[in-house]
Amino acid sequence: EVQLVESGGGLVKPGGSLRLSCAASGFTFSNYNMNWVRQAPGKGLEWVSSIGGSSSYIYYAASVKGRFTISRDNAKNSLYLQMNSLRAGDTAVYYCARDPGMTTDIVAFDIWGQGTMVTVSS
Amino acid sequence: EIVMTQSPATLSVSPGERATLSCRASQSVGSNLAWYQQKPGQAPRLLIYGASTRATGIPARFSGSGSGTEFTLTISSLQSEDFAVYYCQQYNNWPPLTFGGGTKVEIK
Repeated sequence: EVQLVESGGGLVKPGGSLRLSCAASGFTFSNYNMNWVRQAPGKGLEWVSSIGGSSSYIYYAASVKGRFTISRDNAKNSLYLQMNSLRAGDTAVYYCARDPGMTTDIVAFDIWGQGTMVTVSS
Repeated sequence: EIVMTQSPATLSVSPGERATLSCRASQSVGSNLAWYQQKPGQAPRLLIYGASTRATGIPARFSGSGSGTEFTLTISSLQSEDFAVYYCQQYNNWPPLTFGGGTKVEIK
């Protein structure tokens, strides 16, 4: 079964750090670009960051650039998001999501994890 | 940045009726548009990509149309499991990838 499972969320104080992980299974992880998408409570979806299958590219939303770092370990079938200098506005459910853009031009998210909640509060 | 605008914000529809959701892009995105469905407490699910291609396992009652700046998601006969929030997303000109604000389809 194709699956993505996030972990690492929790409660952190403003200015703190957190590292999210996403474990992939059921597909050849290195053949897919991977992404982080977040959703603040009661709000819509916001793209956060993307990384190419071989880490060939890395992109960030303006709202997180310079504070968040995306990375992947293809040997461990894992995606990561290091979040530093966290703010209240970063409070959201964070989803990892796969896109097939490596072999197509389709940068749509065909597989999603269940999400992990990050709460930034004092 | 391409801004995606969805309308209406809320759509009240009776089961069995047709639902038509709109998505507009601030500049042309060609056919590089996807639609997602999200139910409460769940992750989004990909419905449509390439503006009109159904994703794997998506029922035929879901159809997408449009190109350029105007797009439509049509649900031909609403089932109880279709009441949810729907988002569009463009991937023509990125980063950033951008989503619309969503349309909630509720029971009338």
